[in-house]
Amino acid sequence: DGGITQSPKYLFRKEGQNVTLSCEQNLNHDAMYWYRQDPGQGLRLIYYSQIVNDFQKGDIAEGYSVSREKKESFPLTVTSAQKNPTAFYLCASSSFREHIGTEAFFGQGTRLTVV
Amino acid sequence: SQQGEEDPQALSIQEGENATMNCSYKTSINNLQWYRQNSGRGLVHLILIRSNEREKHSGRLRVTLDTSKKSSSLLITASRAADTASYFCASWNQGGKLIFGQGTELSVKP
Repeated sequence: DGGITQSPKYLFRKEGQNVTLSCEQNLNHDAMYWYRQDPGQGLRLIYYSQIVNDFQKGDIAEGYSVSREKKESFPLTVTSAQKNPTAFYLCASSSFREHIGTEAFFGQGTRLTVV
Repeated sequence: SQQGEEDPQALSIQEGENATMNCSYKTSINNLQWYRQNSGRGLVHLILIRSNEREKHSGRLRVTLDTSKKSSSLLITASRAADTASYFCASWNQGGKLIFGQGTELSVKP
């Protein structure tokens, strides 16, 4: 089945620790995105990538890092510099047709908690 | 930066009633999309309306777009308890970012 997979579903981080969230898609989409969602809030863009080996900062990139070495994969690392990382993280992918974005497909999310 | 602002933030209705959610956006768009999110889950795409369309239907969903007012509305007719979810509008900006509104939390009581 085609889709986008995030893992793990739940993740616990100790203070000062880096953690990496996985996002894989087999939809052959060029573009991938990471969003953060806090309780009762909308989605805020962390990083996005429109092509392999290239990515751009979103609105809240501080304390996060990404890589895009393969088309299928876009892992997000939450570093110790992110002071308030407890949130729900969503990964998405989409295609572009004639430079116009189409619908995005989302993974099921990773809930990160600092302990 | 939020491209879309949604109204109301929360909506509670009885089963069988219609639910209307509104979205306003700031910059010009090629298309506008609506998504649904069940609690604790990922978002699911519902419908996409292009900038040259004024209205679009999909089952019990009806979306309108008024580019002169930079606004869109999502109407769910004959709502069901299973429609309880958060609904978000989203649009692409010039830089290729998909930007979401704050969402409307819909509660449909049986």
